[in-house]
Amino acid sequence: QITLKESGPTLVKPTETLTLTCSFSGFSLSTRGMGVAWIRQPPGKALEWLALIYWDDDKRYSPSLKSRLTITKDTSRNQVVLTMTNMDPMDTATYHCAHTTWELLSNWFDPWGPGMLVTVSS
Amino acid sequence: QSVLTQPPSVSGAPGQRVIISCTGGTSNIWAGYDVHWYQQFPGAAPKLLIYGNNKRPSGVPDRFSASKSGTSASLAITGLQADDEADYYCQSYDSTLSGPGWVFGGGTKLTVL
Repeated sequence: QITLKESGPTLVKPTETLTLTCSFSGFSLSTRGMGVAWIRQPPGKALEWLALIYWDDDKRYSPSLKSRLTITKDTSRNQVVLTMTNMDPMDTATYHCAHTTWELLSNWFDPWGPGMLVTVSS
Repeated sequence: QSVLTQPPSVSGAPGQRVIISCTGGTSNIWAGYDVHWYQQFPGAAPKLLIYGNNKRPSGVPDRFSASKSGTSASLAITGLQADDEADYYCQSYDSTLSGPGWVFGGGTKLTVL
């Protein structure tokens, strides 16, 4: 059974850098085909894909946020870390990590972590 | 503005059939990338409902079905039940030269009357 859980600060100030950790079990990011994605959802709004990292360290970023995002993995600790620089109140959202597999870009996300609400406010 | 367009809301009475559309374009659905669907209850994480255009994960009732044609996809729910009331999102991959990546629809709120 695959499970994921997000952790990190629930409140950050504008211009600060957000660091979120996804801790997972039930699969290994050293296994061919495995991946972890980050997806966010502002309150009352739609889902937005942010970043994805594969078993081979291939990294993909949302074009609109690419300059602010970094995704890394720690295979030995079964963790994926997302950093987002220069946080703005518009970045207030619930941040989810999700398991994915390499499917010739036709990836789906399953399962998802419960998510954590990150509020950006001074 | 989402790359994939969904109606903001749909509704139906218990037992009825509803369809949720997901309209894309030449750089995503029409280009051959699969469409996937998620169900999300308030305060909960999205749950995979349909993958690979029309496949149901284990445990998803066959009341849920989906299809894809041209630049669009659709999710059909038959025998509507009160606990189907949720938000539904479609998702695909967009290969636009200005910025490829995975994309979601704007979401559709299903109300069971």
